[in-house]
This record gives sequence, structure tokens and C-alpha cells, in this order.
Amino acid sequence: AQSVTQLDSHVSVSEGTPVLLRCNYSSSYSPSLFWYVQHPNKGLQLLLKYTSAATLVKGINGFEAEFKKSETSFHLTKPSAHMSDAAEYFCVVSRGGFKTIFGAGTRLFVKA
Amino acid sequence: DAMVIQNPRYQVTQFGKPVTLSCSQTLNHNVMYWYQQKSSQAPKLLFHYYDKDFNNEADTPDNFQSRRPNTSFCFLDIRSPGLGDAAMYLCATSRAGAGEQETQYFGPGTRLLVL
Repeated sequence: AQSVTQLDSHVSVSEGTPVLLRCNYSSSYSPSLFWYVQHPNKGLQLLLKYTSAATLVKGINGFEAEFKKSETSFHLTKPSAHMSDAAEYFCVVSRGGFKTIFGAGTRLFVKA
Repeated sequence: DAMVIQNPRYQVTQFGKPVTLSCSQTLNHNVMYWYQQKSSQAPKLLFHYYDKDFNNEADTPDNFQSRRPNTSFCFLDIRSPGLGDAAMYLCATSRAGAGEQETQYFGPGTRLLVL
């Protein structure tokens, strides 16, 4: 069975400081992993995805994530937060068969 | 630009009055999904179409139906909306084959309010 756990429901950072959003997964085989961002009252936008190529994945808007099999983690990072990064972030694991499992989400707050 | 479009963005309906939400896509993807997202929760998959093949999630209520008349369009029908069906409804697409089937592209969503 596959599952995904986002370790923080809320993260608050100051503008210009690093962002770390944590995600752990469990999977019986090599998974596909994604990070999506959702701004208020908007749809989900794909930030980046891991599909068994490079373990360090670069996404849009300066975000990146590192797949660590030994730790079953896929944490999302950004060196310097911007006010526009304030949003909900979802870590997602694909279990194949066109089905995906969403984490509960992490709300990112960015303080001026 | 290729995209997933949802209309309307906001929909108000009355308790028990049937409502239809629409989704269209210009990506030419063969898989289309409908999700329900309640406030401060993760999206919950209701069903998906792979071409014309309909796949319902086991816990999706019978009150929710879907139609896909062609590749580009997919509809979500709520036969008798209850207050608990007020939510954001998200449409997504993906392309099966070539290792891309798992990447889903989302529309902006339709916010449904039930009075």
C-alpha cells in the first residue's frame, strides 16, 4: 500500500529565508512523487515531479526537492521565500492505475 | 496555451436541485479526473475516465455522476445536492502512455455553494 505524510500542517517563514516543507512516503515499489501548489480559490499547479531519474528535482519558481530512498522522503525546499509563495502545498504519490494519493497539505505563511 | 478549463468558476444551487459542472481541455489528454476538495482538506478523487472507460471510486456517492461525450469535455452531475456537497470541484487530465500517465494537470476549479 502507498501513503504520503506531510509532517507539518503549517509552516511560517520570513521573506528571504529558506523554505522547507517535509514529506515522507511509503511505497511497495519505486513511486512517482509530485509537489503541487494551490493558491487560495485556485486549482493545483504542478511544481515538480520525480519519476526515477535524477534524485534532485528542480521545479518552477525556484523550488526543488530531493528524493531520498533511504529516508523515504521527498522534501520541498527553496533558498529564499517570496511573499507570493504563500499558499497550500501538496505532496502526492502515484500508485499507478491513474490514481494518486495526496498528503494532507502544508500551509506556507510568509512574513514580511 | 494548452490548458484545462472549468466553467463556471462559481456555482450556486439549491438543496436538491440538480447541477452540472463542466470541464474542457485542449491538451488532448485521454484521461480526465474529477476531484472534490472541501475546505482545508486535500482533494478527494471521485472518478476518472480513461478514454470512454469510466472508473468510479468505491466511496463516491451515487449522487455523483459523470459524462464524457468526447475527448475534450467531461461533466460532473450532482443529482440532488446536499449541504455537504458544497466544495471546490477540480478537474484534471493526464496522458496515458509514454510514462506520463501519472502527471495530472488541473483546472482552476469550480466552487459550489448549496443553499
